[in-house]
Amino acid sequence: SQTIHQWPATLVQPVGSPLSLECTVEGTSNPNLYWYRQAAGRGLQLLFYSVGIGQISSEVPQNLSASRPQDRQFILSSKKLLLSDSGFYLCAWSTGTGAEQYFGPGTRLTVT
Amino acid sequence: QKEVEQNSGPLSVPEGAIASLNCTYSDRGSQSFFWYRQYSGKSPELIMSIYSNGDKEDGRFTAQLNKASQYVSLLIRDSQPSDSATYLCAVKEMRFGAGTRLTVKP
Repeated sequence: SQTIHQWPATLVQPVGSPLSLECTVEGTSNPNLYWYRQAAGRGLQLLFYSVGIGQISSEVPQNLSASRPQDRQFILSSKKLLLSDSGFYLCAWSTGTGAEQYFGPGTRLTVT
Repeated sequence: QKEVEQNSGPLSVPEGAIASLNCTYSDRGSQSFFWYRQYSGKSPELIMSIYSNGDKEDGRFTAQLNKASQYVSLLIRDSQPSDSATYLCAVKEMRFGAGTRLTVKP
């Protein structure tokens, strides 16, 4: 069966510090991978998605970036965090475009 | 106009009643539609997917799709307190509504 991991579960970072969140998927190959952010009490905002290694599509570039160095690894990064980057970051995978998505446990980021 | 719109609620129903959740979307070419449940502080979990017009039933859940009217709905029969959560509608798998908060009262 497939499993998706995210870490860390919670993170408190000062403004201006860098960020690296990691997501890995087990039990499938060549998945589509997604990064979402959910602000408190809000819906999911798509940040990035990837259909293959090194292929990244950006929805909200701002000060965030994503990379997919391996087939089942997706990384979300920032060089300098803003207060507005606080939120619940979710990684998800699917078998392809238009398919059902399955979410990881999420990382709750607080920027202070 | 937002791509996917949901009534934010909260929607409150008594235990055992039918809960009806609605979602409208703007892209007439959309082909895939999903309902997710999200408990407070947790990540979304998939309830149902629907791709064709009509109804799709899975246990106590029924998804209904009407592409001509551009809406998709979720019915929860015999609602239980454990169904209390936020329900997210997704279109084309990447476009999510803001969610409807459902409370089922014992």
